[in-house]
Amino acid sequence: AQKVTQAQTEISVVEKEDVTLDCVYETRDTTYYLFWYKQPPSGELVFLIRRNSFDEQNEISGRYSWNFQKSTSSFNFTITASQVVDSAVYFCALSEAATGSARQLTFGSGTQLTVLP
Amino acid sequence: ETGVTQSPTHLIKTRGQQVTLRCSSQSGHNTVSWYQQALGQGPQFIFQYYREEENGRGNFPPRFSGLQFPNYSSELNVNALELDDSALYLCASSPGTGVLGTDTQYFGPGTRLTVL
Repeated sequence: AQKVTQAQTEISVVEKEDVTLDCVYETRDTTYYLFWYKQPPSGELVFLIRRNSFDEQNEISGRYSWNFQKSTSSFNFTITASQVVDSAVYFCALSEAATGSARQLTFGSGTQLTVLP
Repeated sequence: ETGVTQSPTHLIKTRGQQVTLRCSSQSGHNTVSWYQQALGQGPQFIFQYYREEENGRGNFPPRFSGLQFPNYSSELNVNALELDDSALYLCASSPGTGVLGTDTQYFGPGTRLTVL
C-alpha cells in the first residue's frame, strides 16, 4: 500500500528565510509519480510539480526547488527567500502507475507554512 | 481555458439527509476524481470516473455514489448523511491520456459541507 508522510505539521519562518518541507513516501511500485500541491486559505489545491520515479534530477522553478532521492524515498520542497504570500498548507502526494487501478492520489497530512513579515 | 468549477460553495444539511455536489471538469479533460478533506487532514480519495464509468474507488461506503455525464461533468451523491461527513469535498479533473498514473489532477475550489 502507498503512504506519504509529512512529519512537519507546522513551520513558521520570517520573510526572506529559506524553508524546506519534508516528504517521505512508501510504495511497492517501481513506477510512480510524486506531486506537490499548495492549499491557500481559500481551499483550492494548486498544482506545483510532478516528478516520475525514473527522473531523479532536481528541479528549480523560480524560488521553488525540489530534491528527489529514491535512496531515501524522499521528495523535499525548498522555498528560497520566502514571502508572506507563500503562507499556505503544502501537500505532498503519490500516484502509482499500476495497470487497471484508478489514478488516485495518496496525500500526506500536509505542512502548514506561516511566513511572518 | 476554464478551470475546474464546483457548486455549491457551501452547504448545510442535517443528519440523515441526502446531498448532491456538482463538478465541471477543465476543458479537454475526461477524467474526474472526488476527494474528501476533513479539517486538518489531507484529501482522501473517494472515487474516479473515466468516460462516464467508475474507474476506481477508495475506502468509502456505498452511500457515497457518483455519476459522470457525456460532457464529463460529474456529481457526487451522499445518502444518509452522518456528522462525520462534514468536510471539504474536492473535485479534480485530468486529461485521461497516456499511461495510467501519469495524469496531473487539477482541483476545483471545493464544496464545504456541514452536517448538523
